[in-house]
Amino acid sequence: DAGITQSPRHKVTETGTPVTLRCHQTENHRYMYWYRQDPGHGLRLIHYSYGVKDTDKGEVSDGYSVSRSKTEDFLLTLESATSSQTSVYFCAISESGAGGFGYTFGSGTRLTVV
Amino acid sequence: KQEVTQIPAALSVPEGENLVLNCSFTDSAIYNLQWFRQDPGKGLTSLLLIQSSQREQTSGRLNASLDKSSGRSTLYIAASQPGDSATYLCARASYQLIWGAGTKLIIKP
Repeated sequence: DAGITQSPRHKVTETGTPVTLRCHQTENHRYMYWYRQDPGHGLRLIHYSYGVKDTDKGEVSDGYSVSRSKTEDFLLTLESATSSQTSVYFCAISESGAGGFGYTFGSGTRLTVV
Repeated sequence: KQEVTQIPAALSVPEGENLVLNCSFTDSAIYNLQWFRQDPGKGLTSLLLIQSSQREQTSGRLNASLDKSSGRSTLYIAASQPGDSATYLCARASYQLIWGAGTKLIIKP
């Protein structure tokens, strides 16, 4: 999607290894989000950021950490990957942060933990 | 707990039919309600956003309605086309988005 990119697009990793996913935006939006999507579930919020160095937990934050040292980059780290973290991860950006206005999503990262 | 439910989980219809996708939510203090489209291997695209003060929104062949009293939103697709095949998700939008699991729609030529 224009203005937001996720890397890598696909990754296979072994249980117990650390993994970092990157979200990069060129829109200068204040709010950035990490979601995971699993079959039978909607998207579930992992962490979000409302500014540089300002982050907060979402619904399913256990086992994940995030960092935002620059407006344009939001990193999601799995400290020690587990099979339950096999999922598709989406990053999103928003200018307003409330009401659902102006959300733009990345194309997703498919992570497989073996 | 605030929950959003979408029924059916999957739907397959012949091309040309009008169809309705359903979204229900348990939190009556709804803010806005948003419908998204998701294509395989791609991100999500916002289709329609209905603000809490509105009852419906229209875009082309799509019409979304919101009934807060019954806790329901519907997405109406007129004259369906194969290109409408995708997964459609609804989300309750306040400070965060609370998502339904989606309806996978297949339009058969």
